[in-house]
Amino acid sequence: AQSVAQPEDQVNVAEGNPLTVKCTYSVSGNPYLFWYVQYPNRGLQFLLKYITGDNLVKGSYGFEAEFNKSQTSFHLKKPSALVSDSALYFCAVRDPNAGGTSYGKLTFGQGTILTVHP
Amino acid sequence: DAMVIQNPRYQVTQFGKPVTLSCSQTLNHNVMYWYQQKSSQAPKLLFHYYDKDFNNEADTPDNFQSRRPNTSFCFLDIRSPGLGDAAMYLCASRLGAESSYEQYFGPGTRLTVT
Repeated sequence: AQSVAQPEDQVNVAEGNPLTVKCTYSVSGNPYLFWYVQYPNRGLQFLLKYITGDNLVKGSYGFEAEFNKSQTSFHLKKPSALVSDSALYFCAVRDPNAGGTSYGKLTFGQGTILTVHP
Repeated sequence: DAMVIQNPRYQVTQFGKPVTLSCSQTLNHNVMYWYQQKSSQAPKLLFHYYDKDFNNEADTPDNFQSRRPNTSFCFLDIRSPGLGDAAMYLCASRLGAESSYEQYFGPGTRLTVT
């Protein structure tokens, strides 16, 4: 079974500082990994994904994430945080080998609240 | 712009009174999902459609049903809402092709049960 862990419920950073939101995963084969952001009373917005290839993937709004197979991690990063980045962030994993009714199913982490202080 | 639309954005219903939430997408995606999300927790998958094939999660209560009359529309029916069903309900869609990976989410419907 696939699973995702986001070890930090909250991350606080000062505007202009780099930010990292951590994610580790467990899946039987090579994972598909995703980051989504959710603003209050809104749906989830797709930020970026790792499917294959370069371990460093770049996404929307200046975010990037690094896939580390040996550490089974996919941490979200941004070099310089903005107050407007404050939101709830979800990491998700999909097992590409899952078949049947589990095909294409995403498993989400519990979410990390990012707060960027002015 | 192509998108996933959910109506209404806010829904209030009474305990035990059936309610229907709707979702439509203009992305021509053949896979559609319904999630329940409580109190900024992780979204919990209730069921999904792959084309017309309905796939129910094992732990989804029978109180939750779904209909997909065509590719664009999908409905979530809660037959007898309880107080514990108050939540944000998210609809998502995805193109069911091997090269398509991410799900696209609607803005959600926040359900209140009084």
